Amino acid sequence: GESVGLHLPTLSVQEGDNSIINCAYSNSASDYFIWYKQESGKGPQFIIDIRSNMDKRQGQRVTVLLNKTVKHLSLQIAATQPGDSAVYFCAENTNSGGSNYKLTFGKGTLLTVNP
Amino acid sequence: GAVVSQHPSRVICKSGTSVKIECRSLDFQATTMFWYRQFPKQSLMLMATSNEGSKATYEQGVEKDKFLINHASLTLSTLTVTSAHPEDSSFYICSASRGNENTEAFFGQGTRLTVV
Repeated sequence: GESVGLHLPTLSVQEGDNSIINCAYSNSASDYFIWYKQESGKGPQFIIDIRSNMDKRQGQRVTVLLNKTVKHLSLQIAATQPGDSAVYFCAENTNSGGSNYKLTFGKGTLLTVNP
Repeated sequence: GAVVSQHPSRVICKSGTSVKIECRSLDFQATTMFWYRQFPKQSLMLMATSNEGSKATYEQGVEKDKFLINHASLTLSTLTVTSAHPEDSSFYICSASRGNENTEAFFGQGTRLTVV
């Protein structure tokens, strides 16, 4: 079946640098995408979302870009801090029938920020 | 913001016993709740979708008699792992959404289950 995947399993950056985490999705019918941050032993934490009628959305230090032509998502973190170290997942909200939806998660990228 | 509370955060049980995990939406009514399982260094795998007042919808390969889900109210869903075995040891996570909408889901803090 269709799935959401990530290009990079690990990413190591220096504190203060910008980070870019990528994600490819395959369900062209998906119209809502979310990035989550997961710290060790905790549940996923919402970072930012984007709908398919947009190609860019900005939050505090984070930006999500959506390229529907190539079915690609990216999460950009500006001025990365040690507290940003975590696993980052992209998730795709998929229609599971009628008005029901379910989230499908990508594989995840481990971001390590070096001081 | 919307808060989802999961209990317990950690549980150790003996092989053959059953364990119940609770998922509560604290400040909103959750028509739909989701249960995920996560193995170390892997992604979240959806186990089932739970709608209030109706039977849960299980993903392919998930045994419904093994993982009993009850969504008796708009603020509570429970997952019971029956006759647990060591291979059931995992991190279980619930999430809740306000309705059958294409919107954000809110996650609990997860439950670490260890079966010995």
